[in-house]
Amino acid sequence: DAGVIQSPRHEVTEMGQEVTLRCKPISGHNSLFWYRQTMMRGLELLIYFNNNVPIDDSGMPEDRFSAKMPNASFSTLKIQPSEPRDSAVYFCASSLQILTEAFFGQGTRLTVV
Amino acid sequence: GIQVEQSPPDLILQEGANSTLRCNFSDSVNNLQWFHQNPWGQLINLFYIPSGTKQNGRLSATTVATERYSLLYISSSQTTDSGVYFCAVGISSNTGKLIFGQGTTLQVKP
Repeated sequence: DAGVIQSPRHEVTEMGQEVTLRCKPISGHNSLFWYRQTMMRGLELLIYFNNNVPIDDSGMPEDRFSAKMPNASFSTLKIQPSEPRDSAVYFCASSLQILTEAFFGQGTRLTVV
Repeated sequence: GIQVEQSPPDLILQEGANSTLRCNFSDSVNNLQWFHQNPWGQLINLFYIPSGTKQNGRLSATTVATERYSLLYISSSQTTDSGVYFCAVGISSNTGKLIFGQGTTLQVKP
């Protein structure tokens, strides 16, 4: 299996622009998670889906952030408009079920200038 | 909410030395994972260990859920073991949320 695949690996954008991060979970996994890693806050959960349905989005920092999972093999995290404080590494993870082992993608390093 | 504390925060070892990393958590958990974040930022699964003991090569882990801690043992450390080690826990109540500790930064010197 190719593992969790994220794209792009790096993204540099100007403040105010829309940013879309993409994730393909491991085939057969029905739980998908978006995490953000910063020096100040460490790794924190933004949102997770179970069977393509958002279950907990309490970690989404603001209305500027939105996430979708239109099917079992694809999810997006969108930031509109982006701000410099959104600069971080964004990880997508998937697991077979809730509370089972989660596997992480390689992350997207986002820089907003 | 649940607190996850890792110790030590930083560790420097000479190649070949052994080490023990600790993870304490403040509530009952039914999911616990250890990850290694390598210098390229990738999060690599080490163990899924909500309870009991597991071994994988030079690494082993033990979780004592009733006493709310987990230990990661690294034996005969190598320079490639350098990086940050994270403990992450999940609690019940139908959530898949993993709460991460702040990590232990390990540097293995040749």
